[in-house]
Amino acid sequence: QTVVTQEPSFSVSPGGTVTLTCGLSSGAVSASYYPSWYQQTPGQAPRTLIYSTNTRSSGVPARFSGSILGNKAALTITGAQADDESDYYCVVCVGSGSWVFGGGTKLTVL
Amino acid sequence: QVHLVQSGAEVKKPGASVKVSCKVSGYTLTELCMHWVRQAPGKGLEWMGGFDPEDGVMIYAQKFQGRVTMTEDTSTDTAYMELSSLRSEDTALYYCLTGHGWDLVYWGQGTLVTVSS
Repeated sequence: QTVVTQEPSFSVSPGGTVTLTCGLSSGAVSASYYPSWYQQTPGQAPRTLIYSTNTRSSGVPARFSGSILGNKAALTITGAQADDESDYYCVVCVGSGSWVFGGGTKLTVL
Repeated sequence: QVHLVQSGAEVKKPGASVKVSCKVSGYTLTELCMHWVRQAPGKGLEWMGGFDPEDGVMIYAQKFQGRVTMTEDTSTDTAYMELSSLRSEDTALYYCLTGHGWDLVYWGQGTLVTVSS
């Protein structure tokens, strides 16, 4: 059973830069895993930020970017703002059409 | 732009089944790959299953195999997710999620399913 790992929590100062990661319990994440990133605030449906590694969804500010860093997918927020304080989830295709979400990262901006 | 509208909240008794719908507009269902995701109260997102664009079949997460059925009515561009043998742990928000090929981009608004005796 593949497990997708994310940092449980992270903190960033307003205006700062933070990189959240998305890894696999075994093996490396690459572009062929089609990693996507979602932002969710309490009581709201998830919002798509990034799909297929680094494609920004419509209307998403340029301060959000996706990449592969080493053996993980990464979401970088450059110039963090107060309303970036949210839960962030990644999802990857682990093969044979199956997808697995990471456990999510709770980002605090303070 | 793809727009997804899901059916309303449901309350079911343990052992019953629930069928949630997801109406697509902006594109036809045949142009998209539909997936279903759930989120239990206070928990993370969980992929339940979806369309594999490579093999052209529905793939279900192992956890739900035998209990979930995902279907599509292309005449109305509506996708359905039916979950049977409901138990209290199935109480959750259920979302449809779709995009072109391998891109999971567009979300429905969510459907709350409550399982309670």
